[in-house]
Amino acid sequence: AQSVSQHNHHVILSEAASLELGCNYSYGGTVNLFWYVQYPGQHLQLLLKYFSGDPLVKGIKGFEAEFIKSKFSFNLRKPSVQWSDTAEYFCAVILSGNTPLVFGKGTRLSVIA
Amino acid sequence: GAGVSQSPSNKVTEKGKDVELRCDPISGHTALYWYRQSLGQGLEFLIYFQGNSAPDKSGLPSDRFSAERTGGSVSTLTIQRTQQEDSAVYLCASSLHRNQPQHFGDGTRLSIL
Repeated sequence: AQSVSQHNHHVILSEAASLELGCNYSYGGTVNLFWYVQYPGQHLQLLLKYFSGDPLVKGIKGFEAEFIKSKFSFNLRKPSVQWSDTAEYFCAVILSGNTPLVFGKGTRLSVIA
Repeated sequence: GAGVSQSPSNKVTEKGKDVELRCDPISGHTALYWYRQSLGQGLEFLIYFQGNSAPDKSGLPSDRFSAERTGGSVSTLTIQRTQQEDSAVYLCASSLHRNQPQHFGDGTRLSIL
């Protein structure tokens, strides 16, 4: 079965530190990739997506992610985090064809001042 | 507003009772999805609708779970004879078409006593 792995369950960073959250998926075909964010008390929101083209995609709030096909990875990065980035981050993959969106288990990011 | 609307926002019920959860997708969105979010488990796909039909019911955990969508719009998720393990946040999402980014509602927090 296809799966999405997020390696870090909980990440704690100080403000201005750089962030990289790992995401790997297990499927060799065509994929569409997403990162969603859930701020405390809010609903899931799309952070960025990759469908095709440039494997380095830019999202909202200074986030970016790089699709590396050979590594089946789509890691999320931000050069300098802020306290307001404290949230839970979910990687998700949708495979070509009639398959559902598959989410990772999420990574909780806590940014401390 | 123009987002995905779910009701009720919270539901507390006794074990063995039936519950019905409602989702109003964004107008014009043909695809509708139900997920379940449990602590430490990430998002679990339940069912997907394209229009009124459900081509993928693979995620429904048991035959106590069912869902329907009428008029290509509102969807209801019904859980019969609820069990304590059904306690979770049930999320609904919609997208313009299959494979497009999904927009999430705030969820229904279901607690089974």
